[in-house]
Amino acid sequence: GAVVSQHPSRVICKSGTSVKIECRSLDFQATTMFWYRQFPKQSLMLMATSNEGSKATYEQGVEKDKFLINHASLTLSTLTVTSAHPEDSSFYICSARPTHGETQYFGPGTRLLVL
Amino acid sequence: AQSVTQLGSHVSVSEGALVLLRCNYSSSVPPYLFWYVQHPNKGLQLLLKYTSAATLVKGINGFEAEFKKSETSFHLTKPSAHMSDAAEYFCVVIYRGSQGNLIFGKGTKLSVKP
Repeated sequence: GAVVSQHPSRVICKSGTSVKIECRSLDFQATTMFWYRQFPKQSLMLMATSNEGSKATYEQGVEKDKFLINHASLTLSTLTVTSAHPEDSSFYICSARPTHGETQYFGPGTRLLVL
Repeated sequence: AQSVTQLGSHVSVSEGALVLLRCNYSSSVPPYLFWYVQHPNKGLQLLLKYTSAATLVKGINGFEAEFKKSETSFHLTKPSAHMSDAAEYFCVVIYRGSQGNLIFGKGTKLSVKP
């Protein structure tokens, strides 16, 4: 139980294009999902908290117009990196928290490379 | 500021040896405590968690951790390391009364020598 998937697992795109990453909770409902970014050999950095049916809450320094988050259902949240640039290249990981509980379950991550 | 400290960014053990990864939190009120493991280019997998029940918590793959309030610690152990245990381990905390966001330790890379 408590499986979270991400799609795609890796993506290469040209600078200036937009990339959408999906995060799904496969066997539970998640009122809250989280998006993290991980730089090489570092811990995870929380980018934003996504709540179903409402606007996401972004951490300080994260551009909301750059990283668009949509949480349209209790099992799906999407992160769209708009007008991607090489500095956006990173490992993006989502997590989902069941409606009742405090544990976050993580997706397998998406490796983004912007050329 | 609330934080979580993992002593040792890199731990190396021989196969079959004891694994001990250290974690200390900074709060007088016991938080929720988690250990996650991350293999290269993978997401985080939950090993075990402490949520105020038994102080000795058993997790997957033979790992366990003991919550010690007097030491504000939640160290992760495994009696006998296996090659497949080589990975990055994160101690993670949710402080009670917070919004529920995870506070991550900086991680400890475990290497297992044959």
